[in-house]
Amino acid sequence: GENVEQHPSTLSVQEGDSAVIKCTYSDSASNYFPWYKQELGKRPQLIIDIRSNVGEKKDQRIAVTLNKTAKHFSLHITETQPEDSAVYFCAASIIQGAQKLVFGQGTRLTINP
Amino acid sequence: GAGVSQTPSNKVTEKGKYVELRCDPISGHTALYWYRQSLGQGPEFLIYFQGTGAADDSGLPNDRFFAVRPEGSVSTLKIQRTERGDSAVYLCASSPRRDRYRELFFGEGSRLTVL
Repeated sequence: GENVEQHPSTLSVQEGDSAVIKCTYSDSASNYFPWYKQELGKRPQLIIDIRSNVGEKKDQRIAVTLNKTAKHFSLHITETQPEDSAVYFCAASIIQGAQKLVFGQGTRLTINP
Repeated sequence: GAGVSQTPSNKVTEKGKYVELRCDPISGHTALYWYRQSLGQGPEFLIYFQGTGAADDSGLPNDRFFAVRPEGSVSTLKIQRTERGDSAVYLCASSPRRDRYRELFFGEGSRLTVL
């Protein structure tokens, strides 16, 4: 089955700097890669996703890149703000049937003022 | 519109007891998922419902775990003979079937502690 590895497990950056989180996946059939943000004690919420037919997607300060050949994808946050502090999870799935997401282990991002 | 609602938010039980966790999905969402999240880990898939039937239960760890969704809306996750290793946050998520690439809308979770 699919296996998703995520790193780093913790990341601390100065406010205004950029943050990058990387994930690798094992199943070449996976074709959908969402990113979820989970604030302390709250529910995970989708922030951005990418499908395998594109290599990059941007939404304001957030961007995701996908390299299908290498089976890895990354989340980029620019001009970080204190409210970006949270745990971020990458995930992978196949767009067929249950579409069950396999999540990475998470990255705790801390933005220092 | 209300989001996904889960009850109880916290449940403390003793080893060997039976527990039920309830999920009320967003109205009109036909797809429903249960995930389990252990401390410091990402959510782990348990079971998926499309309508009333369990379309994929491959993530249930053993036969002590069972889930139902009799009317295609509310779902209940049932755990028999609880063990300390069952302690985790159990997350429910729902999704509208119309989306080919399904965004999951998660509930706040039910935190289960087995003493």
